[in-house]
Amino acid sequence: NAGVTQTPKFRILKIGQSMTLQCTQDMNHNYMYWYRQDPGMGLKLIYYSVGAGITDKGEVPNGYNVSRSTTEDFPLRLELAAPSQTSVYFCASSSPLGSGANVLTFGAGSRLTVL
Amino acid sequence: QKEVEQNSGPLSVPEGAIASLNCTYSDRGSQSFFWYRQYSGKSPELIMSIYSNGDKEDGRFTAQLNKASQYVSLLIRDSQPSDSATYLCAVRGRNGGSQGNLIFGKGTKLSVKP
Repeated sequence: NAGVTQTPKFRILKIGQSMTLQCTQDMNHNYMYWYRQDPGMGLKLIYYSVGAGITDKGEVPNGYNVSRSTTEDFPLRLELAAPSQTSVYFCASSSPLGSGANVLTFGAGSRLTVL
Repeated sequence: QKEVEQNSGPLSVPEGAIASLNCTYSDRGSQSFFWYRQYSGKSPELIMSIYSNGDKEDGRFTAQLNKASQYVSLLIRDSQPSDSATYLCAVRGRNGGSQGNLIFGKGTKLSVKP
């Protein structure tokens, strides 16, 4: 039971580089999310998806892009990395039905540093 | 701007004591309330959810909700050193079927001293 798997766990980028954070879940959850967490701060929603082919912006979408071609995968793309994107990124998923609604299962996180 | 406020702490309690964690929220239409625990360097994990006014107990944990006061709390009885973590309050508004409006507080860091 893998749950939510994120890769890579750590990455250092130079300013202006691009990269993709991968996220896969095996729980057949419709809803998937990307959050960032800065030191001492709560989780800020970047993008979310309610199903394959459907994505929407969260609170802090600038500088990021997402796609959702399958139920399982929800990659986050960083274009032209900036120091302000240094953070820990969490992918999460949830079921929209019944008591599981809004119960987020998180991946282990990806720590990104932009220098 | 919908907000969820928590004291950042650290909140320090002796082993065996009751730890009381508090959270206030600004959106009066909020429907669902959650407490997540996050150990240092780890991802958040859900420990309690509450949807209606009153108390909800689960083992050593009790969540309390007062919608009139826009206040939700988490009590941890018989605190253990293993409870030392950051506790995140999360609130979901009333916005139809959208799952994009779960708002997190900054978290309260709890330290339980042996």
